[in-house]
Amino acid sequence: QVQLQESGPGLVKPSETVSLTCAVSAYSIRSDYFWGWIRQPPGKGLEWIGTVSHSGTTFYNPSLRSRVTLSVDTSKNQFSLRLSSVTAADTAVYYCASQYCRGGCYQFDYWGQGALVTVSS
Amino acid sequence: EIVMTQSPATLSVSPGERATLSCRASQNVGSYLGWYQQKPGQTPRLLIYGASTRATGIAARFSGSGSGTEFTLTISSLQSEDFAVYYCQQYRDWPLTFGGGTKVEIK
Repeated sequence: QVQLQESGPGLVKPSETVSLTCAVSAYSIRSDYFWGWIRQPPGKGLEWIGTVSHSGTTFYNPSLRSRVTLSVDTSKNQFSLRLSSVTAADTAVYYCASQYCRGGCYQFDYWGQGALVTVSS
Repeated sequence: EIVMTQSPATLSVSPGERATLSCRASQNVGSYLGWYQQKPGQTPRLLIYGASTRATGIAARFSGSGSGTEFTLTISSLQSEDFAVYYCQQYRDWPLTFGGGTKVEIK
């Protein structure tokens, strides 16, 4: 079973860039899975941010594309999210998740516990 | 972008009763649909994928149906641990999109 754990700063100032990392364990990042990020503002629903493959192919939510960069570090079995020019609207719990992709991409099977990012001065 | 619409926003159900949740897609997504359960303060958990296949370890009282643009999640006999928010998600096309969620609360 894939295990995922997010890490990153809990507090970020407006206009800064936030970086989050998701460590993958009990599974190789070089597999039939792609690796996704989903966020959830307090009291609201889920929003897909983007997905990255182990080879670096990326898919982004158009609403965030200009500010998001996803990357993979296969040597560390982890993947990362960078979100630039943050505002209070980016305050959310950020989840990483595994997305089965073979012959197409499918559901998010496994999720991390989530990392709360608060944007405030 | 495919818009996912869930109804109702809140469903009040007594323990032991049946709950029926709806999800509508703005375009045909075939069977490329998943359902997730999220309890307060917890991570979303995959319940159903392929519109009707239960994920590993999911109780048989959860069932999914539908294809194309209309989908249903049915909980046959609500248990106390089933009171939560449920989300549908399409993966037919990028960008991936979630519905707004249905909160199942105790009546």
